[in-house]
Amino acid sequence: EAEVAQSPRYKITEKSQAVAFWCDPISGHATLYWYRQILGQGPELLVQFQDESVVDDSQLPKDRFSAERLKGVDSTLKIQPAELGDSAMYLCASSRGQGNTEAFFGQGTRLTVV
Amino acid sequence: GQSLEQPSEVTAVEGAIVQINCTYQTSGFYGLSWYQQHDGGAPTFLSYNALDGLEETGRFSSFLSRSDSYGYLLLQELQMKDSASYFCAVRGSNYQLIWGAGTKLIIKP
Repeated sequence: EAEVAQSPRYKITEKSQAVAFWCDPISGHATLYWYRQILGQGPELLVQFQDESVVDDSQLPKDRFSAERLKGVDSTLKIQPAELGDSAMYLCASSRGQGNTEAFFGQGTRLTVV
Repeated sequence: GQSLEQPSEVTAVEGAIVQINCTYQTSGFYGLSWYQQHDGGAPTFLSYNALDGLEETGRFSSFLSRSDSYGYLLLQELQMKDSASYFCAVRGSNYQLIWGAGTKLIIKP
């Protein structure tokens, strides 16, 4: 069964350091989402790609966060510099297209900033 | 602004029926989705309603009333493995998914 792959599963980093997360969506899925989820809350959309283009990054803190999906397949989310408040689960999801109803999620990267 | 409201916690007994409500206020509406998330796990898709009415998938059903900006998830014959958080999410303008804060379902034997 096809899955969304994310790495690493866990990451501990010091404040002010750079950190990067990687996501490989299900093959053929044109839409890719990066979410941040704080414990006890719902996922918050950070950025949405349609193929290699950014569709929505209105909630992405662009002074420290960046995301790319250069060939419209896998994607990288970067934080530089990391802050204590960035500690959260970072989830990647994909769907066949923007209008598709079901999004498939990866297992996420749990980030702890110390 | 855009918002989804759902109860923070619901408790039910194994074998019973439970309903989790969701009201929404969003700009643009294409449909209402429900996702299940176990502790430490990723959200998994349960159902999607684009039109008014009830959709049934096994023990789970989902309902939508667009005129009332309201929907619910109905879980029947509750099992201990159904203990999880349940999220409603609206697919709004730009096709983005706007999520509620989640409802923690606690099932007692």
